Amino acid sequence: KNEVEQSPQNLTAQEGEFITINCSYSVGISALHWLQQHPGGGIVSLFMLSSGKKKHGRLIATINIQEKHSSLHITASHPRDSAVYICAVLEYGNKLVFGAGTILRVKS
Amino acid sequence: NAGVTQTPKFQVLKTGQSMTLQCAQDMNHNSMYWYRQDPGMGLRLIYYSASEGTTDKGEVPNGYNVSRLNKREFSLRLESAAPSQTSVYFCASTWLGKEETQYFGPGTRLLVL
Repeated sequence: KNEVEQSPQNLTAQEGEFITINCSYSVGISALHWLQQHPGGGIVSLFMLSSGKKKHGRLIATINIQEKHSSLHITASHPRDSAVYICAVLEYGNKLVFGAGTILRVKS
Repeated sequence: NAGVTQTPKFQVLKTGQSMTLQCAQDMNHNSMYWYRQDPGMGLRLIYYSASEGTTDKGEVPNGYNVSRLNKREFSLRLESAAPSQTSVYFCASTWLGKEETQYFGPGTRLLVL
């Protein structure tokens, strides 16, 4: 079992839909990152959080440390949101572990 | 600011050849990282440098060496390339460490025949 599991692996949505991507992890962590990788390959950091909730534009990230779970929400999705979304956790001991990613396609 | 730059963007090697992947950042970051990304797998850390003058192994260091040339530059060397090293390589940097927001380079696609 991977230390970081993302679901779903693939997601297709219609423009305007509310999207949720989940990340579960099995070890204690000090921080969690959400990253976005565009079709061209570039990777951008969206959020880094260790508790609670963060919001940036139409993106919202939440984390529940007790349940070892984080979610990334996209409100009013748009085709330009189509990308791979990657969750990464920083374990105690300084090990950074990445999930395999969720491929999101938003259709117009 | 260019951010994090990587060269080359794409490279084809024959088994046994050597090459160096270059990475530079202009954000005055202390920490730099090399990752590889393979289909169906998450990014995996090869080596990192917490600060100028230090380097440490990551999850998959075998077959690679690194040099933190100065604060700006962090290179990754393949001494004798193998087909298993076919991958996309990303360099990243942060201000202090792994709890910080990571800034990624555009990646280098490497094919080893």
